[in-house]
Amino acid sequence: EVQLVESGGGLVQPGGSLRLSCAASGFSFSSHGMNWVRQAPGKGLEWVSYISNSSRTIYYADSVKGRFTLSRDNAKESLYLLMNSLRAEDTAVYYCARDAGSGIFGVERIDFWGQGTLVTVSS
Amino acid sequence: DIQMTQSPSSLSASVGDRVTITCRASESIRRYLNWYQHKPGKAPQLLIYSASTLQSGVPSRFSGSGSGTDFTLTINSLQPEDFATYYCQQSYDTFSVYTFGQGTKLEIK
Repeated sequence: EVQLVESGGGLVQPGGSLRLSCAASGFSFSSHGMNWVRQAPGKGLEWVSYISNSSRTIYYADSVKGRFTLSRDNAKESLYLLMNSLRAEDTAVYYCARDAGSGIFGVERIDFWGQGTLVTVSS
Repeated sequence: DIQMTQSPSSLSASVGDRVTITCRASESIRRYLNWYQHKPGKAPQLLIYSASTLQSGVPSRFSGSGSGTDFTLTINSLQPEDFATYYCQQSYDTFSVYTFGQGTKLEIK
C-alpha cells in the first residue's frame, strides 16, 4: 500500500523556519518525482515545489522561490522541505505528493497524496 | 505563466444528476490536463489524467474531454460520495510546472 506521511508542521513566528518531512513507503521511492502542494485556509490547491527522482531537477513556485529548499534522501525514502523566512501567507496544510513519473520526461501528474501537515505562521 | 480558470466556482446538484465542470487554459496545453477530487480533511485524489484517461480505481461515471484550451469533467449519476471540490491542473508548462484551477465546489441541492 502506498503511504506518504508528513511531519514537521506547527506554529512558527513570521521570519522563522520550519522543516517538513515526508516518509514514503509501499512503492519504489527512487523511481518517482515528488511534490509539495499546499492549501491555505479557505483557498484552493497551490503547487509549491517538485523534485525529480534523482534530485537532478528541482522546481519552485514563484511564491516560495529563494525561501524554500526541497531535497530528498532515496536511501531513507524521505522527502524534505526546508522553509525559511516564513510569512503569514505561507499558513496552509502542506501535502506531500507523488508524481506518476521519474521526471525524465518532466512532470506528469500527481497520482498519490499524503494526508497533509498544518503550518501556521503567526506571532 | 499559464492560467487555469474553472467554471462554475460552485454548483448545487442532486443525487442522480449529471454535472459538467469546465476548465479553460490561458493558452494551449494540448491534452496535459488532470482532474482531482478533494474532500475536507482528506487527501486529494486523481480522477482523470491526460484530459480523458480514467485513473485506476475511479468509477466510470467520471469522464473527461477536451484539448487545447477547453476541457470538461462530467459526472454521470451523481452519488452521495461525489460531493466535494474538483480541481483541474495543467502539466504542460515546464516553467510554471503545475497550475491548478481555483476549484469547483459541488454541493448537495
